Amino acid sequence: GAGVSQSPRYKVAKRGQDVALRCDPISGHVSLFWYQQALGQGPEFLTYFQNEAQLDKSGLPSDRFFAERPEGSVSTLKIQRTQQEDSAVYLCASSLRTGGRDTEAFFGQGTRLTVV
Amino acid sequence: AQSVTQLDSHVSVSEGTPVLLRCNYSSSYSPSLFWYVQHPNKGLQLLLKYTSAATLVKGINGFEAEFKKSETSFHLTKPSAHMSDAAEYFCVTNTGGFKTIFGAGTRLFVKA
Repeated sequence: GAGVSQSPRYKVAKRGQDVALRCDPISGHVSLFWYQQALGQGPEFLTYFQNEAQLDKSGLPSDRFFAERPEGSVSTLKIQRTQQEDSAVYLCASSLRTGGRDTEAFFGQGTRLTVV
Repeated sequence: AQSVTQLDSHVSVSEGTPVLLRCNYSSSYSPSLFWYVQHPNKGLQLLLKYTSAATLVKGINGFEAEFKKSETSFHLTKPSAHMSDAAEYFCVTNTGGFKTIFGAGTRLFVKA
């Protein structure tokens, strides 16, 4: 497709369950970002990849969160032992370049995770 | 540290009247600033961006924003609101590397 694709669009998980969220960036985009958007809030940075290298994971809220991009294209955000506070929309974005002042990021529609 | 503050959580206007969504930034150097729009069940879409070229930036759908260093502001405006403008708007800054910082968002309501 032409845009960033995320799957699933909606996920309901029981507390304690592990989940995996997938992001297919725009083909050829070097940079990939994950954000967490809680209800009524702006997106908050989680982690950043440049190709397959995870250059910044400072926004991951706990060691239950893990992200990978093994071949420099598709990325997976994994959350282990989900908690209710993990309920949010998880957004993925990609950009063509490796950063810089005018780098435009293209966003997917997000995955809405609800932990019950 | 860089940050952006959106001064209004909600703005309500009548169709055909001007729109003003306010954003102040904090940065130790000349920032990159963006406005994104988020419609329900749709991805974030870039409206416009400022990267130290012209201070008045024109974007899509008739929106524009003016960078004012003296006021540390980057307010988003549109002369005449349309019903389809109803959405959430985010003021965003880039740290100059790869970390993007979002404001809390302003929800725009447009009344018929």
